[in-house]
Amino acid sequence: QVHLVESGGGVVQPGRSLTLSCATSGFTFRNYGIHWVRQAPGKGLEWVAIIWSDGSYKYYGDSVKGRFTISRDNAKNTLSLQMNTLRAEDTAVYYCARVGSGSYSADYWGQGTLVTVSS
Amino acid sequence: QSVLTQPPSVSAAPGQKVTISCSGSSSNIGGNYVSWYQQLPGTAPKLLIYENNKRPSGIPDRFSGSKSGTSATLDITGLQTGDEADYFCGTWDGSLSAYVFGTGTKVTVL
Repeated sequence: QVHLVESGGGVVQPGRSLTLSCATSGFTFRNYGIHWVRQAPGKGLEWVAIIWSDGSYKYYGDSVKGRFTISRDNAKNTLSLQMNTLRAEDTAVYYCARVGSGSYSADYWGQGTLVTVSS
Repeated sequence: QSVLTQPPSVSAAPGQKVTISCSGSSSNIGGNYVSWYQQLPGTAPKLLIYENNKRPSGIPDRFSGSKSGTSATLDITGLQTGDEADYFCGTWDGSLSAYVFGTGTKVTVL
C-alpha cells in the first residue's frame, strides 16, 4: 500500500528557515517524481514544487522560487523541502504527493504537515 | 492566483447530478491531461480522475471526467451526502513549467 508521511512542520518566525521531510513506503521511491502542494487555512490548493524521479529536474511555483529548495536522495529514500526566508503567507498545510500518470497528476497524497509562520 | 477557473459552488439534491467546469488555456488544459481531486472536510486531497477521464481503482463510476479544447468537466451522478467536498482540477502548464490547480468548487448536497 502506497503511503507518504510528511514531517517537520511547526511554528517558525518570519525570516527563519524550516525543512520538511516526506517519508514514503509501498512503492519504489527512485521511480517516481514527487510534488509538494500547500493549502493555506480556508484556501485552495497551491502547487509548490516538483522533482523528477532521478532528481534531474526541479520546478517551483512563483511564490516560492528562490526561497524553497526541493531535493531527494534515492539511495536513502529521502525527500526534503528546504524553506528559507519564510513569510506569514507561507503559513499552510504542506502535502507531499507522488507523481502519477497523465501530465504529472498527483496520485497519492500524504496527510500533510502544518507550517505556521508567526512572530 | 489560479490559472484554472472553477465555479465556487454547486449544489443539488441527493440522487441528482452536478457538473463542475474547469476553464484554462492552450498552455495548460489545451495541451495536457486534466486530473480532478476530491477533498473531504478535514482530509488530504484524493485523486478522482486522471488523464481527463480515467478513474483510479476504487473510484465509483458515478464520477466521470471529460475535456474539450481548453476546458474540462467533472460530472457526479447519483449524488450522495458523502460527496460533499471541495473539488479541484489540475494539470501541467507548459508555459509556466508548473503544475496548476483550479480555484476549487464546493459541492453541497441539499
